[in-house]
Amino acid sequence: AQSVTQPDIHITVSEGASLELRCNYSYGATPYLFWYVQSPGQGLQLLLKYFSGDTLVQGIKGFEAEFKRSQSSFNLRKPSVHWSDAAEYFCAVGAYSGGGADGLTFGKGTHLIIQP
Amino acid sequence: EADIYQTPRYLVIGTGKKITLECSQTMGHDKMYWYQQDPGMELHLIHYSYGVNSTEKGDLSSESTVSRIRTEHFPLTLESARPSHTSQYLCASSVPGGLEAFFGQGTRLTVV
Repeated sequence: AQSVTQPDIHITVSEGASLELRCNYSYGATPYLFWYVQSPGQGLQLLLKYFSGDTLVQGIKGFEAEFKRSQSSFNLRKPSVHWSDAAEYFCAVGAYSGGGADGLTFGKGTHLIIQP
Repeated sequence: EADIYQTPRYLVIGTGKKITLECSQTMGHDKMYWYQQDPGMELHLIHYSYGVNSTEKGDLSSESTVSRIRTEHFPLTLESARPSHTSQYLCASSVPGGLEAFFGQGTRLTVV
């Protein structure tokens, strides 16, 4: 079974500073990886996804993520954060299977706080 | 932009009541999911469906039940609500053969 670890429960970043949110996954085959963002009281919005090909993927809102197979990581980055980026960020891994559940497996999330 | 709707957004209800959380999508997606999310916690898959008349239990055991009579609807029912059911419930859907999930805004349920 797949699993996702987000080591940082909370991260505080100053507005305008760069951001990196960590994500490590465990999965036996080629993973399908996602980053979602959740604003307070809202559902989840997809930021970006990795299925195959270029290991650096671009997403919405200026976010990017890099897939590193050797490190089993899929870290999310942004060069300069804005106050509106304050939210909960979830990393997820998905898998196709013949008989079992093929919904996404999520990490516990990282709460991003932006300091003025 | 994905079109998936959940009602109600917020619900406070007494113990023992029967409740149904509604989820509708207008994208024609075959696969639909229900996730449960406790405050500050990750999402856990509790139910999913491959299409009409298909329902399966997810990774997290839940006392809720679901039905899929129409492609666009995937309601979740609790026959007798308990305080332990207090949580946020998120509905999602994805295209056939796709893993990318589109989420509704969630229903925050409080059982008192």
